[in-house]
Amino acid sequence: ILNVEQSPQSLHVQEGDSTNFTCSFPSSNFYALHWYRWETAKSPEALFVMTLNGDEKKKGRISATLNTKEGYSYLYIKGSQPEDSATYLCASDTGRRALTFGSGTRLQVQP
Amino acid sequence: DSGVTQTPKHLITATGQRVTLRCSPRSGDLSVYWYQQSLDQGLQFLIQYYNGEERAKGNILERFSAQQFPDLHSELNLSSLELGDSALYFCASSVGTGRTPLHFGNGTRLTVT
Repeated sequence: ILNVEQSPQSLHVQEGDSTNFTCSFPSSNFYALHWYRWETAKSPEALFVMTLNGDEKKKGRISATLNTKEGYSYLYIKGSQPEDSATYLCASDTGRRALTFGSGTRLQVQP
Repeated sequence: DSGVTQTPKHLITATGQRVTLRCSPRSGDLSVYWYQQSLDQGLQFLIQYYNGEERAKGNILERFSAQQFPDLHSELNLSSLELGDSALYFCASSVGTGRTPLHFGNGTRLTVT
């Protein structure tokens, strides 16, 4: 993988559903993997910076895992709420240049 | 509030003109990044400065230039503007140059008519 790829592009879930998305990134020159939440009409906000293979981070109902050997990360949201509606971005950090962002997964949580 | 300030919020100008976008990083952050978000596109990296020095360059056009001043604020200059330059321009700052989260400003919406 040469670029940062995220799937799915968009997701519609019902309030209370749990969901997850995928970020694939180049495993060579890995330094860190970032996750951001971007709400409409606001600016991206950092969720996690992950550095170690097997790392798992958690913030409230949101958690993320990291596999640096195969180059992927999962973001999980447990019991989705309408306020979780946003675009979730991941970004590859090689430590040598600025972050390379994926196109994001747009999540819409229906009440 | 991320602590990153961008001005102006909106800018409408004509083709061929030149504009300057300004960014004040979060207090204590030494790195400043500029990103462009065009319609239906993701965040495209333009340029990064660290403590006054250019550190990395992305897909920045030759018509665009930037600098970071001794007080660490940064300016992005866009010249000979074209319709395709219409976009949301974000500035972000971080403490270091890697493994530290970026803090984004609210962006400058540039419309070229």
